[in-house]
Amino acid sequence: DTEVTQTPKHLVMGMTNKKSLKCEQHMGHRAMYWYKQKAKKPPELMFVYSYEKLSINESVPSRFSPECPNSSLLNLHLHALQPEDSALYLCASSQGVGSFTDTQYFGPGTRLTVL
Amino acid sequence: SQQGEEDPQALSIQEGENATMNCSYKTSINNLQWYRQNSGRGLVHLILIRSNEREKHSGRLRVTLDTSKKSSSLLITASRAADTASYFCATDASGTYKYIFGTGTRLKVLA
Repeated sequence: DTEVTQTPKHLVMGMTNKKSLKCEQHMGHRAMYWYKQKAKKPPELMFVYSYEKLSINESVPSRFSPECPNSSLLNLHLHALQPEDSALYLCASSQGVGSFTDTQYFGPGTRLTVL
Repeated sequence: SQQGEEDPQALSIQEGENATMNCSYKTSINNLQWYRQNSGRGLVHLILIRSNEREKHSGRLRVTLDTSKKSSSLLITASRAADTASYFCATDASGTYKYIFGTGTRLKVLA
């Protein structure tokens, strides 16, 4: 099973709402990632978790709060977002073993619209 | 920024023709990967080439890597309408599990 699942597929929220994006993988991968992608642009790395610990935060605003409850799950908590945060949010995972990066498997993404 | 540049930005070809897209990057890498993304969907991994490799094949895909020029190319042979997608290269920052994606090439294959 090389599948990464993400829920919900679509999310519309107001600027005062609190919502969460969820990501799950059952490949035994130890590295998990959140990316943000605007239309016609490449994915931009937001966070990396390695062995359930946050290892990279690409200076993401605090209104985005990641959480890794266990090795299979990755959440992204959203609060007080701005309309410019509207984008496709992609989750990915990789083996994460050793010092070399390896193949990332991506989920289908959550299309987020902030009103 | 380490971000790769890809060219062309957009490419339109007829079914059956070959498509070549190029990626250039700025810093030393451990490996380079190519991904495909259909409109508004997740990315699909196509091929990984390590810094000590020069060429790799997978089905109709051929990837080359020239570390002296910090560039890579992806060749899709005998293209099909189903190959219509955006193609991204991604390079790693050594030992950090950090990938930086290139700007992407939007490929359109006309039936």
